[in-house]
Amino acid sequence: NAGVTQTPKFQVLKTGQSMTLQCAQDMNHEYMSWYRQDPGMGLRLIHYSVGAGITDQGEVPNGYNVSRSTTEDFPLRLLSAAPSQTSVYFCASSYSETQDPRATEAFFGQGTRLTVV
Amino acid sequence: AQSVTQLGSHVSVSEGALVLLRCNYSSSVPPYLFWYVQYPNQGLQLLLKYTTGATLVKGINGFEAEFKKSETSFHLTKPSAHMSDAAEYFCAVSVIYNQGGKLIFGQGTELSVKP
Repeated sequence: NAGVTQTPKFQVLKTGQSMTLQCAQDMNHEYMSWYRQDPGMGLRLIHYSVGAGITDQGEVPNGYNVSRSTTEDFPLRLLSAAPSQTSVYFCASSYSETQDPRATEAFFGQGTRLTVV
Repeated sequence: AQSVTQLGSHVSVSEGALVLLRCNYSSSVPPYLFWYVQYPNQGLQLLLKYTTGATLVKGINGFEAEFKKSETSFHLTKPSAHMSDAAEYFCAVSVIYNQGGKLIFGQGTELSVKP
């Protein structure tokens, strides 16, 4: 069982370039999310999805787009990369085991380390 | 607004010593609390979680945490540190977000274990 798979693991972009970070999960989870991790700031939510066709913004959505056409995939698009987007990006998935979606753990991918020069 | 504060961005202990990583939360509703561990160049892995019920929660690798409502704390402990415990640890609170839940993380605490 692969869990949450992110590609690529490393990427260097030039300012202004665009790219897509891929995320796929094979656990049939309803919820998927993208976080960025920066030193001393923990993880911050970029975008969120509660199911195929439904996405919403998190705390730091500017400069990023998402779509969710299938349950399995949740790609993150950088429209025009900026040095401020240099970070480690994590995709996560989770499910609702009870009527309270807060109760379940999130499963994380291995991360994508992005450098924008 | 709900938030999490981890006291100490870096903690260093000797092998065999007690590990104590501090986490305080702010929440207007009964919180659901989590501890995650991140080993170098890896994703986050769940250590333990508190939702309801017993306030002392046991997790993997000998870690445990106690939910103390009066102190708004959820500190992580392990009686005897092992070299393999060296990692970054994140405390998080889960909140309702639109139709689902999202995690609000603390800043993280890096644990070093000296031989």
